[in-house]
Amino acid sequence: GAVVSQHPSRVICKSGTSVKIECRSLDFQATTMFWYRQFPKKSLMLMATSNEGSKATYEQGVEKDKFLINHASLTLSTLTVTSAHPEDSSFYICSAWTGTPTDTQYFGPGTRLTVL
Amino acid sequence: GQNIDQPTEMTATEGAIVQINCTYQTSGFNGLFWYQQHAGEAPTFLSYNVLDGLEEKGRFSSFLSRSKGYSYLLLKELQMKDSASYLCAVIDSNYQLIWGAGTKLIIKP
Repeated sequence: GAVVSQHPSRVICKSGTSVKIECRSLDFQATTMFWYRQFPKKSLMLMATSNEGSKATYEQGVEKDKFLINHASLTLSTLTVTSAHPEDSSFYICSAWTGTPTDTQYFGPGTRLTVL
Repeated sequence: GQNIDQPTEMTATEGAIVQINCTYQTSGFNGLFWYQQHAGEAPTFLSYNVLDGLEEKGRFSSFLSRSKGYSYLLLKELQMKDSASYLCAVIDSNYQLIWGAGTKLIIKP
């Protein structure tokens, strides 16, 4: 089946630094990639939707200057958390979609970010 | 390796009850999620189980048996809007999310 990878799987950083998370679709082309944040024991919160070659669409309340998203190719999207703070510590999950309405999204394994 | 199994597709009748099973083999366990996802939309959180037993929320209930590596999602009084994919996901000992492939539920009148 379709596979989506994320790198790194876990990252610990100091407050004020920036962290880049990669999301790759390994065996299909993803026209659209979604970035989610998961709060402990709660639902996934959609942060932004990125279409290859265009600017990401951010959900209300998500700071686009803090969470930089780039979708430069059909198999790679990156999320950069800039000037990370402890409250940014969370589980970040991406999913990839071919863009065909009948196709499902395929989710990555997530990246656990801890900001000290 | 790590694995989560759930049926690919199920069909049920409006007003009936359906149980969607999920079995998992993961390195460690830190909780199991059920999500509902309609085509082209973001998934919606349904439940989170970390202890054995049944948790009920309205028409939806979720059950967990850690010793058996088994969970199920029970949907009662099915409505047409319940037609969706249902995703089972487990957090392993490294806090990685392991996703099932999802069960497509088709509700017929």
